[in-house]
Amino acid sequence: GAVVSQHPSWVICKSGTSVKIECRSLDFQATTMFWYRQFPKQSLMLMATSNEGSKATYEQGVEKDKFLINHASLTLSTLTVTSAHPEDSSFYICSTGGTNEKLFFGSGTQLSVL
Amino acid sequence: AQTVTQSQPEMSVQEAETVTLSCTYDTSESDYYLFWYKQPPSRQMILVIRQEAYKQQNATENRFSVNFQKAAKSFSLKISDSQLGDAAMYFCAYRSAGLDGGATNKLIFGTGTLLAVQP
Repeated sequence: GAVVSQHPSWVICKSGTSVKIECRSLDFQATTMFWYRQFPKQSLMLMATSNEGSKATYEQGVEKDKFLINHASLTLSTLTVTSAHPEDSSFYICSTGGTNEKLFFGSGTQLSVL
Repeated sequence: AQTVTQSQPEMSVQEAETVTLSCTYDTSESDYYLFWYKQPPSRQMILVIRQEAYKQQNATENRFSVNFQKAAKSFSLKISDSQLGDAAMYFCAYRSAGLDGGATNKLIFGTGTLLAVQP
């Protein structure tokens, strides 16, 4: 079946640095990708929707300048956490979108900001 | 706006027994999908079962089945013959069946139910 490859699976960075997370769709084209954030023992909260070739749509309360999303091709969407701070430490996970009833999730990225 | 409610933060079941996880949702739409996802300690999201709102028949996948009550906006998950590997966080989720493929097709998750399976 369709697979979404997400990298890195975990990253530790210093406060103030930027971190890029990639989600790559394998063997299919993903015109839409969703980015979620999950704090420990909590649910997945949608951060933004990325659309290939256009600007991402951010959920209310999500800083678009801090969480930069790029969806430059039909197989790759990236989330860059800019000037990361300890409060940005979280589990980030992507999933495909589109009209298909099935959605495919990446394996997630645990970000720890020191 | 659509909402999904899971009223059981934690549940426990004995191995080989049956457990039911509750989920209710609120929507004004008539066409939508409902899902149960499993998130084990690896945190990979695993689709357990899905239900199309226009189908009256309850979905079944091996030991997993749902009780879909559209009028009551209820979507419970029954796990039969529980196994140790079923221990995980379970999320109920809603998705509009709209055609634009954008934000309206996002998954809306409940708060989750942590299921423990006792040997």
